[in-house]
Formats: sequence, C-alpha cells, structure tokens
Amino acid sequence: DAGVTQSPTHLIKTRGQQVTLRCSPKSGHDTVSWYQQALGQGPQFIFQYYEEEERQRGNFPDRFSGHQFPNYSSELNVNALLLGDSALYLCASNQGPGRPDTQYFGPGTRLTVL
Amino acid sequence: QQQVKQSPQSLIVQKGGISIINCAYENTAFDYFPWYQQFPGKGPALLIAIRPDVSEKKEGRFTISFNKSAKQFSLHIMDSQPGDSATYFCAASIRSNDYKLSFGAGTTVTVRA
Repeated sequence: DAGVTQSPTHLIKTRGQQVTLRCSPKSGHDTVSWYQQALGQGPQFIFQYYEEEERQRGNFPDRFSGHQFPNYSSELNVNALLLGDSALYLCASNQGPGRPDTQYFGPGTRLTVL
Repeated sequence: QQQVKQSPQSLIVQKGGISIINCAYENTAFDYFPWYQQFPGKGPALLIAIRPDVSEKKEGRFTISFNKSAKQFSLHIMDSQPGDSATYFCAASIRSNDYKLSFGAGTTVTVRA
C-alpha cells in the first residue's frame, strides 16, 4: 500500500499564477482533507471532501478551491497566487469523515511563490 | 486566532529521559484530541489520541494526560530515544465538524544520545 500520495513534490510559481495540486488517498479511504503548513507552523485546515462534495471548509479565501473525483482522488486549486501562499500543502485521507483514527497524511507538496 | 496553544516551542532531552509537551484549548466543544509526529520532509503521522471521557491514555512509551476542567492536555514521551527527535503537534477537533483539525504550533524535540 503506497499510502497517501501527492504530486508534484515541489512547485515554483510566480505571483498571480494558478496552481493545481493532486492527491491520491490511501487504499480503502474515501475522505480527503487538505491542509496548509507554513514554515515553522502547524497545519491549517483548508477543506474536506467526501462523496465528491466539500463538507467542511476552513478560513481560506475563495481563491482556494478543490475537487474530488469518483475514485476518491482530489485536487486543490489556488488562483491568483500570493507570496503568502508559499507553504507545504498536505493531503490527508480517512475511512469516512467520522473516522479520525484512520487518518493518514501524505508527504506534501512544497509550493514556492516568487 | 489559534484555537490550540502548545508549549514549549522546542525542548532538548537526554536519551532515556522524559519529554513533556503541553497544550491548552478554549473551545469546550472539542471532543477529540490527537497528537501527531512529523519528521523533516514528511507529513504528520498520527501518534496517539484521546477523548474527553478519559483522563489518561498510554500507548507504548507515549502517554496523553487530559484535564477537562483545566482545558489542558499533554504528551509524555517516556524513555526518550534519538529516533523520537521530531516535531510534535497537538490538535483538537469536533465530531459534528467531521473532525476538522485545529493544530497547535508544534514542539521540536531533540533527544541527545
């Protein structure tokens, strides 16, 4: 089992550009959450997807959007990139929203905005 | 506004010693309190978790102590080993919010051999 996989590993963009990050959940998991982790900080919850719908959302602007596909994989899209969007973006998957004990995090995508 | 406050920011412990990390929260609706371990270049890994109906949970060398009245919980790492050197995050969540996590700022633990 490959666990939670994320791509790409690293990404460099310039201000104003748009970016798409991808996540494949652990086998048997159907719920995907995205977190932003700034350097030296704890992760901040962005949103959660289950049954292809956004169920929960954190305190992030509409520039952050996502999608979940029928195979449970997910994408995170960020539009109009700002310097402050530079961070490690983590994807986590669970066996359902009510099973936090099954949560696994991926290794993250390091986004640098210049 | 950080919902979970974690301290200390960093700590150094000798091999075989005890590491203690503390967290405090304000929202009494929180009903799930996990701890995560993160190594450089990796995502956080769930270490141990507790619910507010118990005051202590132990798994191997890791123990969570929970004080509901004080709205505080802590992680104790017994017999610390160099392989325990990592950043530890406490978190809190609510079942009715699908357990979306509010993380503390993290504690970097260094175990000296």
